[in-house]
Amino acid sequence: EPEVTQTPSHQVTQMGQEVILRCVPISNHLYFYWYRQILGQKVEFLVSFYNNEISEKSEIFDDQFSVERPDGSNFTLKIRSTKLEDSAMYFCASSLTRGKEGYTFGSGTRLTVV
Amino acid sequence: DQQVKQNSPSLSVQEGRISILNCDYTNSMFDYFLWYKKYPAEGPTFLISISSIKDKNEDGRFTVFLNKSAKHLSLHIVPSQPGDSAVYFCAAIGDGAGSYQLTFGKGTKLSVIP
Repeated sequence: EPEVTQTPSHQVTQMGQEVILRCVPISNHLYFYWYRQILGQKVEFLVSFYNNEISEKSEIFDDQFSVERPDGSNFTLKIRSTKLEDSAMYFCASSLTRGKEGYTFGSGTRLTVV
Repeated sequence: DQQVKQNSPSLSVQEGRISILNCDYTNSMFDYFLWYKKYPAEGPTFLISISSIKDKNEDGRFTVFLNKSAKHLSLHIVPSQPGDSAVYFCAAIGDGAGSYQLTFGKGTKLSVIP
């Protein structure tokens, strides 16, 4: 069964450093997403991406965050200057159609900011 | 801001019995509801969904019921199996303004006891 692959599975970074979280969506999918889950809290939407541009973003997704699909297969989330409160599990997801059939999520990257 | 609420953080059920997981929502603009299942160290996996124009959807052992007037949905698992032990997330889509982001509840941890 096709999978969404995320790397690394765990990233530890110092506060103020830039991090890039990587995702390889399912190859024929057209819509791409990032969600995050802070420990003990709910999964929250960050951003959706379609046709090489952001189609929707939440208020969490401020200027510190950016997304890119640099080479047609990878989909990345960059956090420019990490803060302690960015520590969370970050999930990438992709879908063939726009959302209602359910996304396929990756296993997540646990980001720890120290 | 808890537009989707899962008020039971955990539930224990004997193998073979029915598991009922509940979810309430406040936003009447939601038009599609989904249940996701999550095992540790994995991403959420789509389980079953229901459109707001229906009141029931069934898929094998899983049935989702929607009561729009009460803004309540439930997931029934019959019969429950030990492999069903996981965290179950209720999610909703649609805000009347074309948003396709998933709004999640906090999850209910189901333990099926052999």
